[in-house]
Amino acid sequence: EVQLVESGGGLVQPGRSLKLSCVASGFTFSNYGMNWIRQAPGKGLEWVAYISSTSSYIYYVETVKGRFTISRDNAKNTLYLQMTSLRSEDTALYFCARHQLWVDNWGQGVMVTVSS
Amino acid sequence: DIMMTQSPLSVAVTPGESASISCRSSRRLLHSNGITYLSWYLQRPEKSPQLLIYQISNLASGVSDRFSGSGSGTDFTLQISKVETEDVGIYYCVQFLEVPYTFGAGTKLELK
Repeated sequence: EVQLVESGGGLVQPGRSLKLSCVASGFTFSNYGMNWIRQAPGKGLEWVAYISSTSSYIYYVETVKGRFTISRDNAKNTLYLQMTSLRSEDTALYFCARHQLWVDNWGQGVMVTVSS
Repeated sequence: DIMMTQSPLSVAVTPGESASISCRSSRRLLHSNGITYLSWYLQRPEKSPQLLIYQISNLASGVSDRFSGSGSGTDFTLQISKVETEDVGIYYCVQFLEVPYTFGAGTKLELK
């Protein structure tokens, strides 16, 4: 069974940093691209970033470019999202999601709240 | 960026009846490899989204065959037959043709 478990969320002040992790199990992590997708409270889904299986290809939504960094450690079956210069509009539930031409599995999400 | 427009934004359905949700993209979602990168997801209350349909009309593993997808080019439809209590939630279409991947605003399905 595919499992994706996010962690690392919490309450953080504007301008500060936070690093999310997503541990994958139940499949060969190194064979799949991965995404971070977020959902602001009461809002819809927004794709944030993608990383290919070998980290060769990395893409971001424009609003996080230069502030967020997606990375992965295939030896540890773990996906990361380093978030810096956080803004109130980054407040959201962050999902990691497995990619195979489309997203086929999602984690349960981890909440990030940016507030003073 | 490719814009995804869903309609209606909410729908109330009598259990046992059918429902239809439309999704329109601002550009064709057909790749040169012949694949159309249009998927549908259901997010039940307080749950993570779940894949229902990929490549317009392919049913994801474990998904009820009461769900079906159709369409081509820029116009796509999700049909739900014999609506059940477990179908309540928000339905999203999304394009995976190019980054940024973009979602429709979502259609909230409720029961009458």
